[in-house]
Amino acid sequence: AQSVTQLGSHVSVSEGALVLLRCNYSSSVPPYLFWYVQYPNQGLQLLLKYTTGATLVKGINGFEAEFKKSETSFHLTKPSAHMSDAAEYFCAVTSIQGAQKLVFGQGTRLTINP
Amino acid sequence: DAGITQSPRHKVTETGTPVTLRCHQTENHRYMYWYRQDPGHGLRLIHYSYGVKDTDKGEVSDGYSVSRSKTEDFLLTLESATSSQTSVYFCAIRDLTSGSNEQYFGPGTRLTVT
Repeated sequence: AQSVTQLGSHVSVSEGALVLLRCNYSSSVPPYLFWYVQYPNQGLQLLLKYTTGATLVKGINGFEAEFKKSETSFHLTKPSAHMSDAAEYFCAVTSIQGAQKLVFGQGTRLTINP
Repeated sequence: DAGITQSPRHKVTETGTPVTLRCHQTENHRYMYWYRQDPGHGLRLIHYSYGVKDTDKGEVSDGYSVSRSKTEDFLLTLESATSSQTSVYFCAIRDLTSGSNEQYFGPGTRLTVT
């Protein structure tokens, strides 16, 4: 079985500050890991993904995440927050094989303060 | 844009009535998924399909059924809606051409059961 824990249901940062959203996963098989973003009243948009290879992955809008197997973590970062980053962020895990059913964390709502 | 549409986008229905939500895709993807989104739970998988007439249960399948009679359409039915099924429902497709098999989501259907 797989699971995802996102630490902090709400995170607030100032514009220009570092964004750090935490994600820890549990998986008995090699995982694929994803971060999705959801803007108000919209669907989910893929930010970035880890499959194999390089453990530091870069995504859209200046976000990046690092896969750390020893820590079972996949934290999302952005060096400098922008007002447009305000949204809800979801971390998700799936297995490499089979139906690849996504298991999501509970989400983290990011607020940007001017 | 993975060519996914959902209908209706909003629906209010009464307890005990049947409800069918439709997901339509235009790009001939084999895998399709239905998730529900609830505060504090992220997204949870209801059912998925891996081909015409091939479906399987997800994490929260009780009270839901699905059908896929043609590749482009995946229907989710609530046989007798209950207030606990008030939620936002998202359909997703899995893009097998991407290498990492990421999932793309539709715009969602907001269902309220009164």
